[in-house]
Amino acid sequence: EPEVTQTPSHQVTQMGQEVILRCVPISNHLYFYWYRQILGQKVEFLVSFYNNEISEKSEIFDDQFSVERPDGSNFTLKIRSTKLEDSAMYFCATGTASENTEAFFGQGTRLTVV
Amino acid sequence: DAKTTQPNSMESNEEEPVHLPCNHSTISGTDYIHWYRQLPSQGPEYVIHGLTSNVNNRMASLAIAEDRKSSTLILHRATLRDAAVYYCIRGPEYGNKLVFGAGTILRVKS
Repeated sequence: EPEVTQTPSHQVTQMGQEVILRCVPISNHLYFYWYRQILGQKVEFLVSFYNNEISEKSEIFDDQFSVERPDGSNFTLKIRSTKLEDSAMYFCATGTASENTEAFFGQGTRLTVV
Repeated sequence: DAKTTQPNSMESNEEEPVHLPCNHSTISGTDYIHWYRQLPSQGPEYVIHGLTSNVNNRMASLAIAEDRKSSTLILHRATLRDAAVYYCIRGPEYGNKLVFGAGTILRVKS
């Protein structure tokens, strides 16, 4: 069964450092999403991406965050200057269509900012 | 705001059916109802979705009330592996994102 792959599974970084979280989507999927889940809290939408541009972003997704598909396969989330409150599980999700279809989630990257 | 209401937790015995309710009384005519689940330490996993008719797949059944203000996810025979948080989500919410609420924690007893 096809799956969304995220790397690394766990990243520890110092406050103020840049991190890049990577996602390999399912091959024929065109819609990409990042979500995050702070420990013990709800899964929160960050951003959606289609046709090499952001289609929607939440209030959480401020100037410190960026997304791109650098090589047409990987989908990355960059946090420029991490803060303690960025510590969370980050989930990549992909889909074949924008609405009302199944979204496939990766296993997540646990980001710990110290 | 997830705009769905689910019980905080439910408990089931293994091998028995489980009915997980969801209230979405303000749902619009074009909103689908999606169900996802999240097993411990894993990402959310799609379960099922529907608009008006009852839906079945290999994982579960979705029963949608005639007025669409509520729905029920049915797991026909719960297993220990079904212990998870189950999320009922209206969609699309302001585009193509999923808005997760707190969900229902399902505990399955052997």
